[in-house]
Amino acid sequence: DSGVTQTPKHLITATGQRVTLRCSPRSGDLSVYWYQQSLDQGLQFLIQYYNGEERAKGNILERFSAQQFPDLHSELNLSSLELGDSALYFCASSVGAGQYAYNSPLHFGNGTRLTVT
Amino acid sequence: GEDVEQSLFLSVREGDSSVINCTYTDSSSTYLYWYKQEPGAGLQLLTYIFSNMDMKQDQRLTVLLNKKDKHLSLRIADTQTGDSAIYFCAENDSWGKLQFGAGTQVVVTP
Repeated sequence: DSGVTQTPKHLITATGQRVTLRCSPRSGDLSVYWYQQSLDQGLQFLIQYYNGEERAKGNILERFSAQQFPDLHSELNLSSLELGDSALYFCASSVGAGQYAYNSPLHFGNGTRLTVT
Repeated sequence: GEDVEQSLFLSVREGDSSVINCTYTDSSSTYLYWYKQEPGAGLQLLTYIFSNMDMKQDQRLTVLLNKKDKHLSLRIADTQTGDSAIYFCAENDSWGKLQFGAGTQVVVTP
């Protein structure tokens, strides 16, 4: 058990809908990362938050947004869903960011499997 | 730019050693990682190595790093059926986020 909790485990929804994925980081971790895993794109970095602030942005679509709350949990919001958004969405957490990030391994949750029909 | 490459498939007999190879491009990476993903599961951190090290051993796992060639390998000794999984190599950037390879599927046969 990595200590990172993601809910829900599975989500089935229709095109055009909006969903929210939730992540609770490991106790003491300040950084949260979101990744998307699909068969054709592999593991793609979406976005990183550190202590409530956005730190880095990757291949995140404009239809997607995220935030990290004062209690450090994070939510990833996916809107106007398309069939191609079907994927496994992972959250990871680590202790630090910035100058201390390099020695903070990422610990991953078990993911949320999103199916868009 | 950042790019991590791995071979896609490895078949190994139970009891033999497995060697999974990876090449990376970002010479500023400070740590390099190996993650394991079993079917339907998340990514499990297996081990990681600091970029100024050549080798790290952890029980059945041995990581070798050739920084000059930007080559990383993971050796699994006495491979077991429970080692069947996808193994991802990853490098970090200064903010800690990881760039992953496409993953190597390891199949262990009896």
